[in-house]
Amino acid sequence: SQKIEQNSEALNIQEGKTATLTCNYTNYSPAYLQWYRQDPGRGPVFLLLIRENEKEKRKERLKVTFDTTLKQSLFHITASQPADSATYLCALDLTGANNLFFGTGTRLTVIP
Amino acid sequence: NAGVTQTPKFRVLKTGQSMTLLCAQDMNHEYMYWYRQDPGMGLRLIHYSVGEGTTAKGEVPDGYNVSRLKKQNFLLGLESAAPSQTSVYFCASSPGTGSQPQHFGDGTRLSIL
Repeated sequence: SQKIEQNSEALNIQEGKTATLTCNYTNYSPAYLQWYRQDPGRGPVFLLLIRENEKEKRKERLKVTFDTTLKQSLFHITASQPADSATYLCALDLTGANNLFFGTGTRLTVIP
Repeated sequence: NAGVTQTPKFRVLKTGQSMTLLCAQDMNHEYMYWYRQDPGMGLRLIHYSVGEGTTAKGEVPDGYNVSRLKKQNFLLGLESAAPSQTSVYFCASSPGTGSQPQHFGDGTRLSIL
């Protein structure tokens, strides 16, 4: 069956360190991969999109990589801040038609 | 600029009752979506629409119906609510044509007793 796994349910890191979140998938060949942030009681907010032919994408302190051989995407937040504490979701777009399949998310806590 | 607005924010229903969730977007987006989010399951697509007057099934469509009579509105209906439909429902919209960021509302928390 098709599966999207995000490394752990919860990740705690010290302020100023780099947070690395993992998204692994099986039985998919996504054309695009998106990352979202979700705060408690709120809807997801789009962060980054990466295409299958791109290895890496950056936006300010955020970086995402996409390895179609390993079937894995890594999401990095450098110089993390307590305000980065949230749940981060990866989502696969298999065809570019924008029908997304979401992972269950990783809850990140940045400790001051 | 409100973005995506969902009403109501909370609702409690009894088994067998019906209700309609409303989603409105003011970004002139072509595509609209309804998801449900359950603990440990992630967001799952219920139905979506690629334009006014069109709808299509997503991953978990059973027990739900939708309508897109106006471009800015997307309605999700539960004809006969079941406890298994207790969830948080999110609406989203996107410009369409290729993989685009989806803009989400803040959800409707629905409990079926």
